[in-house]
Amino acid sequence: GENVEQHPSTLSVQEGDSAVIKCTYSDSASNYFPWYKQELGKRPQLIIDIRSNVGEKKDQRIAVTLNKTAKHFSLHITETQPEDSAVYFCAALAATGRRALTFGSGTRLQVQP
Amino acid sequence: NAGVTQTPKFQVLKTGQSMTLQCAQDMNHEYMSWYRQDPGMGLRLIHYSVGAGITDQGEVPNGYNVSRSTTEDFPLRLLSAAPSQTSVYFCASGQGGTTVQYFGPGTRLTVT
Repeated sequence: GENVEQHPSTLSVQEGDSAVIKCTYSDSASNYFPWYKQELGKRPQLIIDIRSNVGEKKDQRIAVTLNKTAKHFSLHITETQPEDSAVYFCAALAATGRRALTFGSGTRLQVQP
Repeated sequence: NAGVTQTPKFQVLKTGQSMTLQCAQDMNHEYMSWYRQDPGMGLRLIHYSVGAGITDQGEVPNGYNVSRSTTEDFPLRLLSAAPSQTSVYFCASGQGGTTVQYFGPGTRLTVT
């Protein structure tokens, strides 16, 4: 089955700096890669996703890049703000076999004011 | 639309007790799934369903049963609760496996 590894597990940045979170996946058949943000005590919420036919996607301060050859994808947050502090999860979905998301273990991002 | 709803929000069980966690969605989504979230371990898939009458096992199915008799509901049954099942349980739904998955608010379960 699919295996998703996520790094780093914790990340602390100064307000205004950029933050990058990286994930690798094992199943070359995976074709959908969402990123979720989870605030303390809340449900995970989708912030951006990318499909395998696209190399990069941006939404204001958030961007995701995908390298299918290397089987890794990354989340980039620019001009970080204190409200970006949360746990971020990457996930991957295979096109065949178990059709369910496999999640990374999460990155706790802390933005220092 | 209420989206994805889960009941109860909190539950304490004794070892060996059984219970059902409820999940419902009003978006006519085909796809529903159950995850458990433990500290430092992300979200792990328990069971999922691609439509009414169809269910399949996820990564950690042991000790849990599901059924999908309607499109709207996807209950998760704990057969004989164990302390290892102490966790936060999230239900999610989506139009298909490759579209946005919406999560419910979660159920915090403690087994003593």
